Amino acid sequence: GIQVEQSPPDLILQEGANSTLRCNFSDSVNNLQWFHQNPWGQLINLFYIPSGTKQNGRLSATTVATERYSLLYISSSQTTDSGVYFCAVDGFGNEKLTFGTGTRLTIIP
Amino acid sequence: DGGITQSPKYLFRKEGQNVTLSCEQNLNHDAMYWYRQDPGQGLRLIYYSQIVNDFQKGDIAEGYSVSREKKESFPLTVTSAQKNPTAFYLCASKLQGQETQYFGPGTRLLVL
Repeated sequence: GIQVEQSPPDLILQEGANSTLRCNFSDSVNNLQWFHQNPWGQLINLFYIPSGTKQNGRLSATTVATERYSLLYISSSQTTDSGVYFCAVDGFGNEKLTFGTGTRLTIIP
Repeated sequence: DGGITQSPKYLFRKEGQNVTLSCEQNLNHDAMYWYRQDPGQGLRLIYYSQIVNDFQKGDIAEGYSVSREKKESFPLTVTSAQKNPTAFYLCASKLQGQETQYFGPGTRLLVL
């Protein structure tokens, strides 16, 4: 099956800093999503982005499908951005997501 | 309120006991999913169902069972055959033809 690797595994930043999270995947995908899991365990979908670039406020994401990676950018970090960020992918015809192991982001006031 | 609810929030199980985790959604979503999350790990798919009365095994189905008798409900039973059931269990759903999955708040299962 598809392998998903995320880096870095942990990231600690001061409030106001910018960050870039990376997701590499091992095969062609027709579905790539970024999720944020808050400290209480709730997962929220941030982006559906199998290719191209999207922006939503301070967050943006870019997927380069031909090179099999995606980047999540967080600008002007706030303490509420803390949590774990997951990348999840679905290969063609699979109808199910494979998750990476996540990047744990901690924003210090 | 529209959304996905999971109950209970915390569940304790004794060795050899079966327990059932509830997942209900009122979003009129067609597909529903069960995932398991272990500490420091990503989510792994246990079972999924794309329509009523049909479901498929995910990557780690052994020791689990599900049913999908109603569109809005997808309960998961953790059987005594699951040797290491302590984990965080998440239910999700999505509309057919769309890609975004929506998650419930999760159930933490602890074996005593």
